[in-house]
Amino acid sequence: SYVLTQPPSVSVAPGETARITCGGKNLGTQGVHWYQQKPGRAPVLVIFFDSDRPSGIPERFSGSNSGNTATLSISRVEAGDEADYYCQVWDRTSDLRVFGGGTKLTVL
Amino acid sequence: QVQLQESGPGLVKPSETLSLTCTVSGDSVSSYYWTWIRQPAGKGLEWIGGISASGTTYYSPSLKSRVAMSSDTSKNQIFVRLTSVTAADTAVYYCAREGPWGEGRVWGQGTTVTVSS
Repeated sequence: SYVLTQPPSVSVAPGETARITCGGKNLGTQGVHWYQQKPGRAPVLVIFFDSDRPSGIPERFSGSNSGNTATLSISRVEAGDEADYYCQVWDRTSDLRVFGGGTKLTVL
Repeated sequence: QVQLQESGPGLVKPSETLSLTCTVSGDSVSSYYWTWIRQPAGKGLEWIGGISASGTTYYSPSLKSRVAMSSDTSKNQIFVRLTSVTAADTAVYYCAREGPWGEGRVWGQGTTVTVSS
């Protein structure tokens, strides 16, 4: 089955740009979605279909996807952005949904 | 505004069957695609499976032999059953409504299930 690979952790200073990657074979041919999850809370969709933002998500959140890697970028990082972030795809060959292992974003 | 609420027994004995309900308000279960996702404590998200608006089901290969999903349009509820549970099935279980690209648009708050004798 399809596998998505994320770095376990990313650290960034406040005000800087955080970049979280998600790797998968020919990932650029699929739509990638990103979720933010804070402790004890349900995940929240922050980016869908590679780079679209749901209503209510700040413009600081953006996404890209090409080749074998998708990237979630968070500009002007704030303390409140500290959370776990997960990528996810709909693998159309199998009609299954797949999550990456998650990345813990730490704001220094 | 769409809201999802998971419910079920918080404690299930090993080898028994786990049954959870997702009650949907503000939308119809006969529309969209609905999924179940779980998360063991301190671990990542795991997609369990989903049920389409027409009732077609799709399951994770790792759980396919033990899982079944269904819906009740009259009660506007989605169900998941997981048989022969073990401690490895202990997790927070979420239901979610998908968008057109397979993204989890709306999530329930989750319900914690512990498998223990």
